Amino acid sequence: SHELTQPPSVSVSPGQTARITCSGDALPKRYAYWYQQKPGQAPVLVIYKDTDRPSGIPERFSGSSSGTTVTLTISGVQAEDEADYYCQSADTSGTYVFGTGTMLTVL
Amino acid sequence: QVKLVESGGGVVQPGKSLRLSCEASGFIFSNYIMHWVRQAPGKGLEWVAVISDDGTKKFYADSVKGRFTLSRDNSKNTLYLQMDSLSGEDTAVYFCAREGDIVIGTSFDFWGQGMRVTVSS
Repeated sequence: SHELTQPPSVSVSPGQTARITCSGDALPKRYAYWYQQKPGQAPVLVIYKDTDRPSGIPERFSGSSSGTTVTLTISGVQAEDEADYYCQSADTSGTYVFGTGTMLTVL
Repeated sequence: QVKLVESGGGVVQPGKSLRLSCEASGFIFSNYIMHWVRQAPGKGLEWVAVISDDGTKKFYADSVKGRFTLSRDNSKNTLYLQMDSLSGEDTAVYFCAREGDIVIGTSFDFWGQGMRVTVSS
């Protein structure tokens, strides 16, 4: 299965914009999904099919895609957004893969 | 509301077996593809296995292929993960997760709370 690479950490101040990237050779052909995970909790889906936001997810979360890289953008970051973020995609072989994960720190 | 509740975890010796269960409620279980995802202590998420809505198709991560077996009982709204020949590398929190519908796509829209499995002598 293919691999998805994320930066280990991203830091931003409250109110600023955080951008978390996810790179993988298969991404031009496969949708990407994003999850937020806070300590001791199950992950929560925040973006599906590259750019769409599930109901209940704040509008400050958005996704974009360009070539082999997808990006999760959090505009106007709040303290409560501090968490680990994972991208995910599915393979044509029936398997699934998660990105390496990014720890978002709100300074 | 959608609920997924895992059970069956605990401490097990290397080489032994364990079976996890995931009881679903709040949705028509037989209509959904289901997964197991795990997370080793301090590590990232790792996809483990998937089973089709009718239980006829299953796929596994290379790390567990041949040792783990996924099954489901749609009459009991329950998903199972039989884990054999366990090693320390299988120590993790195991989550069951529901795959989204055609709108959401091949993602995990609902997750259980997680069940800890520790493989240790």
